[in-house]
Amino acid sequence: AQKVTQAQTEISVVEKEDVTLDCVYETRDTTYYLFWYKQPPSGELVFLIRRNSFDEQNEISGRYSWNFQKSTSSFNFTITASQVVDSAVYFCALSKAAGNKLTFGGGTRVLVKP
Amino acid sequence: NAGVTQTPKFQVLKTGQSMTLQCAQDMNHEYMSWYRQDPGMGLRLIHYSVGAGITDQGEVPNGYNVSRSTTEDFPLRLLSAAPSQTSVYFCASSYSGSPGANVLTFGAGSRLTVL
Repeated sequence: AQKVTQAQTEISVVEKEDVTLDCVYETRDTTYYLFWYKQPPSGELVFLIRRNSFDEQNEISGRYSWNFQKSTSSFNFTITASQVVDSAVYFCALSKAAGNKLTFGGGTRVLVKP
Repeated sequence: NAGVTQTPKFQVLKTGQSMTLQCAQDMNHEYMSWYRQDPGMGLRLIHYSVGAGITDQGEVPNGYNVSRSTTEDFPLRLLSAAPSQTSVYFCASSYSGSPGANVLTFGAGSRLTVL
């Protein structure tokens, strides 16, 4: 069975601080996908990134960066120079290579104070 | 392009009542699924479909029914509502092939309260 753990339930930072969200996963599959989704206070779910298990390169997109380490089964997400608009719940998720069945972590609520 | 449309956005039911949450997508996605979101538990898969006429159970299917007669529509039926089904429900769809494989597009969500 697949499992995703986001140990941090809530993180509070002051604007311009960096914040790192941890994600640890469990799977027996050799090929899989990892995801991050953002859920702002308005409630919709916004796709941020998908990472294939064969691609361990770190990725940067603006102020967002992701660190995938297969050796520790982790896929951490860092927001650099946080802004108030980054306040949201962030979900890490895992799926097999085939199909659209995602297993989600419990989510981490990020509160960025001005 | 509307994406994934869910209705209703809000619903209050009494215990024992039945209802259907509607979901429609206009992206010609093969895969569709229903998740429920509860505090601290993330999203959990209720039912999913890999194409018209094909459905299967997810992690928490009890008390829910689905059918998929067309590619576009994937309604979720609550047979006899219980307070434990109070939740926010999300419908999602995705392609099966690259480059967007497994990237879910979600509807706006439906908040259901069962009294």
